[in-house]
Amino acid sequence: DAEITQSPRHKITETGRQVTLACHQTWNHNNMFWYRQDLGHGLRLIHYSYGVQDTNKGEVSDGYSVSRSNTEDLPLTLESAASSQTSVYFCASKGQNTGELFFGEGSRLTVL
Amino acid sequence: GQQVMQIPQYQHVQEGEDFTTYCNSSTTLSNIQWYKQRPGGHPVFLIQLVKSGEVKKQKRLTFQFGEAKKNSSLHITATQTTDVGTYFCAGPRDGGTSYGKLTFGQGTILTVHP
Repeated sequence: DAEITQSPRHKITETGRQVTLACHQTWNHNNMFWYRQDLGHGLRLIHYSYGVQDTNKGEVSDGYSVSRSNTEDLPLTLESAASSQTSVYFCASKGQNTGELFFGEGSRLTVL
Repeated sequence: GQQVMQIPQYQHVQEGEDFTTYCNSSTTLSNIQWYKQRPGGHPVFLIQLVKSGEVKKQKRLTFQFGEAKKNSSLHITATQTTDVGTYFCAGPRDGGTSYGKLTFGQGTILTVHP
């Protein structure tokens, strides 16, 4: 079955370190997204991509970057992790003919 | 910018009681989506409403989209313990075609006591 997977599921890192969260989907969806979830804020859009070599900033993009070298993957990089980036990160993808987002299992990141 | 407000933030009910969560947008929405997230899980799509005044049912769940397309509600009849989780509404960030760029409400955390 097609799916969307994230790794790692849990990570603890230190302030200032670079961190990359992986997202891989096998639906061949062009549209992929990264959201972060914090209590009281719901999910907020970080970055998104509508296809290979396309990347766009979302609502809370400062301190984050993404790249899209193929259809399947949209890795999220924190260039210099900050404690404010402690959160649960969800990757999602969307099919062509539906508004439905398919979410990955999430990556819980703790920045000490 | 666009805001999507959801109330209540928490709701505790006894099993068998009804539950309603409300969603209000600061802007008119072309559509609204609802997601459910089980504790420790990821958001799962429930439904999308597109038409003004639209009402859709999924078993014990009833979804409504307001006439002005700025508000929506989710009503669960006779809650069960399997209904536990956080319910989110979400609308397109640009007010028009979303392409997946959604503004989510803060979510309503539902607890059901057996």
